Amino acid sequence: DTAVSQTPKYLVTQMGNDKSIKCEQNLGHDTMYWYKQDSKKFLKIMFSYNNKELIINETVPNRFSPKSPDKAHLNLHINSLELGDSAVYFCASSHGRGNTEAFFGQGTRLTVV
Amino acid sequence: DQQVKQNSPSLSVQEGRISILNCDYTNSMFDYFLWYKKYPAEGPTFLISISSIKDKNEDGRFTVFLNKSAKHLSLHIVPSQPGDSAVYFCAARAIYAGNNRKLIWGLGTSLAVNP
Repeated sequence: DTAVSQTPKYLVTQMGNDKSIKCEQNLGHDTMYWYKQDSKKFLKIMFSYNNKELIINETVPNRFSPKSPDKAHLNLHINSLELGDSAVYFCASSHGRGNTEAFFGQGTRLTVV
Repeated sequence: DQQVKQNSPSLSVQEGRISILNCDYTNSMFDYFLWYKKYPAEGPTFLISISSIKDKNEDGRFTVFLNKSAKHLSLHIVPSQPGDSAVYFCAARAIYAGNNRKLIWGLGTSLAVNP
């Protein structure tokens, strides 16, 4: 019974393609996040949704579009993939907008070739 | 511009001894600090936190100390166990527009506990 699950775990794709990463949480949390960990190991927030409402939208290229169909899901769609998009993407969730004690998924390692 | 810094990329400790992981920050407006632990191929796992109004929080073998005047916090693990070997991230919470909060993360310290 995985608390925060994201799929796929690994994704290798060519430049210019469009891809999606899915995330689901079964913890009953009302806030979900997407984080990016780049090659330098920086873990940085990209987006946050609270009750399906976008509350954090960091300086991220508009090729990245999050979609939250309901409180338990937050998917990440990426258009026109570039080499620099290669990273590990983590989904997370927490109770409330406090952004503390978040539960993370196992990560999706995206490699753009 | 890193607002949260973990200046030691790695630390090696003997089993049974104390592990001390350090974290420095620059923003005096951070109101909450957290430590996360990460094993390879897994997401970070919440470990322990401390509010900016406290100077110490203890949970079993883990204690976090906060020195606000020095803008420094540390995580103590006593006694260290081989299963503690992981990357430890320090994170600080910032409040910004719309009463929203986000975490600013350090780069992590890789702890190796040797049997």
